[in-house]
Amino acid sequence: DTAVSQTPKYLVTQMGNDKSIKCEQNLGHDTMYWYKQDSKKFLKIMFSYNNKELIINETVPNRFSPKSPDKAHLNLHINSLELGDSAVYFCASSQLAVSPLHFGNGTRLTVT
Amino acid sequence: GQQVMQIPQYQHVQEGEDFTTYCNSSTTLSNIQWYKQRPGGHPVFLIQLVKSGEVKKQKRLTFQFGEAKKNSSLHITATQTTDVGTYFCADPKGGAQKLVFGQGTRLTINP
Repeated sequence: DTAVSQTPKYLVTQMGNDKSIKCEQNLGHDTMYWYKQDSKKFLKIMFSYNNKELIINETVPNRFSPKSPDKAHLNLHINSLELGDSAVYFCASSQLAVSPLHFGNGTRLTVT
Repeated sequence: GQQVMQIPQYQHVQEGEDFTTYCNSSTTLSNIQWYKQRPGGHPVFLIQLVKSGEVKKQKRLTFQFGEAKKNSSLHITATQTTDVGTYFCADPKGGAQKLVFGQGTRLTINP
């Protein structure tokens, strides 16, 4: 059983397009996150949700819009994609904020 | 914003050699977490250190938390090719309810 699953694994798209990444966790955790990992492997938090409520929005452009329909799901929609958005996006969950994180396998987004 | 500083950024060793990565903070940490990310994989939680001066071992891995709770280290004895990956420390900023990662140390090993 996959604890944190995100789809798709790879996403290749052109500049200006809109795309979504989905994430689901079956761990019963209350908190979910989106992290962005750039080409230098730096992991930066983007958003966190606690029980469907937005807790952290880490100065991310408003082209990025997270949505949590329930506490087991956290999706990420990106409008008007730019070259600089190319990265690996990780979904994660934890029981409490700042408890150890369980990461999904990541979505490698390539914008051409 | 403030984050833990992790060094070195890269480390290449011969198989069988030891490896150490360090994390330093200018402020006192409530606790620190360590993660490992294999090439092409996702970060996986290894351990959390909470107490001042704490030392924990997982087989060939030894984790230490400084007495002042401002630094931490991960030491691997006699590296194996399975140790290849990027090791991250992470600072749980409780007040801000977020986990801030160090820059990571990428370990490569010559078999």
